Amino acid sequence: DGGITQSPKYLFRKEGQNVTLSCEQNLNHDAMYWYRQDPGQGLRLIYYSQIVNDFQKGDIAEGYSVSREKKESFPLTVTSAQKNPTAFYLCASRGAPGQGGTEAFFGQGTRLTVV
Amino acid sequence: QQQVKQSPQSLIVQKGGISIINCAYENTAFDYFPWYQQFPGKGPALLIAIRPDVSEKKEGRFTISFNKSAKQFSLHIMDSQPGDSATYFCAASRGHFGNEKLTFGTGTRLTIIP
Repeated sequence: DGGITQSPKYLFRKEGQNVTLSCEQNLNHDAMYWYRQDPGQGLRLIYYSQIVNDFQKGDIAEGYSVSREKKESFPLTVTSAQKNPTAFYLCASRGAPGQGGTEAFFGQGTRLTVV
Repeated sequence: QQQVKQSPQSLIVQKGGISIINCAYENTAFDYFPWYQQFPGKGPALLIAIRPDVSEKKEGRFTISFNKSAKQFSLHIMDSQPGDSATYFCAASRGHFGNEKLTFGTGTRLTIIP
């Protein structure tokens, strides 16, 4: 069935390590997004991509990197430069009106914890 | 900068009552205003959305009221039920092309008590 799959559900990172969060969608959406969720701060945009091979920084891009080599995939790397990476990370995709509407669909999230 | 302000941060409503959550936005280029519902440990899911050409949209027990001149919109949940207990987020975007980024409010934790 169609949707967005994030993996893993839980991820533990040691200090100084880079980790990559996976996000795959089979909705044929052009746009994909990464948000970070912290208690009391809502969803803050990290990076987004409106088309393959192109992406833009969001409001809190420092310490993160992304790639968009395939339409279906938008992995997020949390680098050692991100000083406070413990959070709930959400991936979303959104289509143009001709792709079935403007609703944004979210994955089930990855909870990253620094140990 | 917080372009979408949401209140209250938390809300407790008795079963059968009306839950009201408010949002205000700054960017007049926004033209798509969705509300998302999120249960613990899950991703948000679209509840209802509105465009500024209408002042109200109703879907079942959920209604969005929109005031373009005041740059405010609100979610009303009628006959609130314990199953409505969740975190609610308002959001806004320029919806013209459908793939624009969504800017979210800070969320409201709603608890419905028996």
